[in-house]
Amino acid sequence: AAGVIQSPRHLIKEKRETATLKCYPIPRHDTVYWYQQGPGQDPQFLISFYEKMQSDKGSIPDRFSAQQFSDYHSELNMSSLELGDSALYFCASSLGPTGETQYFGPGTRLLVL
Amino acid sequence: AQKITQTQPGMFVQEKEAVTLDCTYDTSDPSYGLFWYKQPSSGEMIFLIYQGSYDQQNATEGRYSLNFQKARKSANLVISASQLGDSAMYFCAMTGNTPLVFGKGTRLSVIA
Repeated sequence: AAGVIQSPRHLIKEKRETATLKCYPIPRHDTVYWYQQGPGQDPQFLISFYEKMQSDKGSIPDRFSAQQFSDYHSELNMSSLELGDSALYFCASSLGPTGETQYFGPGTRLLVL
Repeated sequence: AQKITQTQPGMFVQEKEAVTLDCTYDTSDPSYGLFWYKQPSSGEMIFLIYQGSYDQQNATEGRYSLNFQKARKSANLVISASQLGDSAMYFCAMTGNTPLVFGKGTRLSVIA
C-alpha cells in the first residue's frame, strides 16, 4: 500500500538559511499534519491542513510557514534557521480532519550547523 | 487540555514473552481516540493500534492488544510473544478535538 512520502530525507543547512520540506500524503487522504521531534523528545504538533485550508495550529514558529496544494501535497517552509531547529520533521496524513488515524511519513532529518 | 503519561522510560523483556507498556491519559473531551505508535532506531513512526473512546471491546491487531480501562483512563499496550524486532521506542498518543498529543515514550528492549 502507498505510504506518505517525504522529501528530502536528510537536509543540512547553515544558520539563517531557508529550507523547504515536502510531503505527499497517502492517495485520497485529505488532511496533512506536520510534527517536529527533537532529539530524545516526543513529536510536537506544528500545523495541519484539511482540504487545502489550515485546520489547526500548534507550536509552529513564526519563521515557519506551510501550505497544502491542490493535489493535497504540502510544503513546510522554514526561514532564518536556528541551531534549535535541528530535528526530525514528520508529515502525517489522514482521511478526515478529526480523530482519524494518522499515518506518518519516514521523516526529514534536518541538521542546522 | 489533553495529556498522555507514560511512566516507564525503559523496559526489558525476554524474547517470546509478553510485555505491557503503560499509558494513562487525561482529557475533557467526551469523544477521543487513543493510539500506539512504534519508532525503531531508524526513526520512522509506525502506527500499531487504535482504540476509540466509545468502543466496547479492546482493540487487537495481531500480536498487539490495547487494554482499555476507561474509568481508570488507561490504555496499556500488550505485546505478546515478543520478538527481537520489537525493540524500539513506543509512543502512546491521543486525539479528540485537537491533533495528536504524545506521551514521552517507553523504550522497549527485547533480550534473546
